[in-house]
Amino acid sequence: NAGVTQTPKFQVLKTGQSMTLQCAQDMNHNSMYWYRQDPGMGLRLIYYSASEGTTDKGEVPNGYNVSRLNKREFSLRLESAAPSQTSVYFCASSEYAGMNTEAFFGQGTRLTVV
Amino acid sequence: RKEVEQDPGPFNVPEGATVAFNCTYSNSASQSFFWYRQDCRKEPKLLMSVYSSGNEDGRFTAQLNRASQYISLLIRDSKLSDSATYLCVVGSGDYKLSFGAGTTVTVRA
Repeated sequence: NAGVTQTPKFQVLKTGQSMTLQCAQDMNHNSMYWYRQDPGMGLRLIYYSASEGTTDKGEVPNGYNVSRLNKREFSLRLESAAPSQTSVYFCASSEYAGMNTEAFFGQGTRLTVV
Repeated sequence: RKEVEQDPGPFNVPEGATVAFNCTYSNSASQSFFWYRQDCRKEPKLLMSVYSSGNEDGRFTAQLNRASQYISLLIRDSKLSDSATYLCVVGSGDYKLSFGAGTTVTVRA
């Protein structure tokens, strides 16, 4: 059971480069999320998609865009990477965007922007 | 002020010991509470939900104090495999889960 799959696992970018982080889930979940995790700060929500066809900003959306390609896939794009975007990125999904549902996470993408 | 605050630790305890730690949350309208576990450089995974009346799952006990706005996690009879970072997570809206920065527990032989 794959769960939530993220690619790539590691990436180094130069300032100004662009890239897309891919995420797919096979649990037929309605809701998907992108978080970033920085030392001492906990996970912060970048964008989320409550259901197929909808996306909304989270706490820290600046510098990012997302696409909910279909029910399974939710991608995160950095148009012009900055060193401040060096972080670990986690994709997650849940059955629906309700408060009491468990979120399942992918293995993370470790991104370094130099 | 952070929405969810945790003592980062580390809590360094011998095998078999009991360890307990809290987290506080700022939004009094919060309605759902969880503890997630995160192993080094891995993804977070749900450890347990926290219910108003408190709940146990094996060696783990979670408590919620709405009046003082904190939740706690107690681990009894610690095992080496309990070494991890424990994330306090609070739900306050349709989508929003607020994560604490985590409390690190190290269990030594």
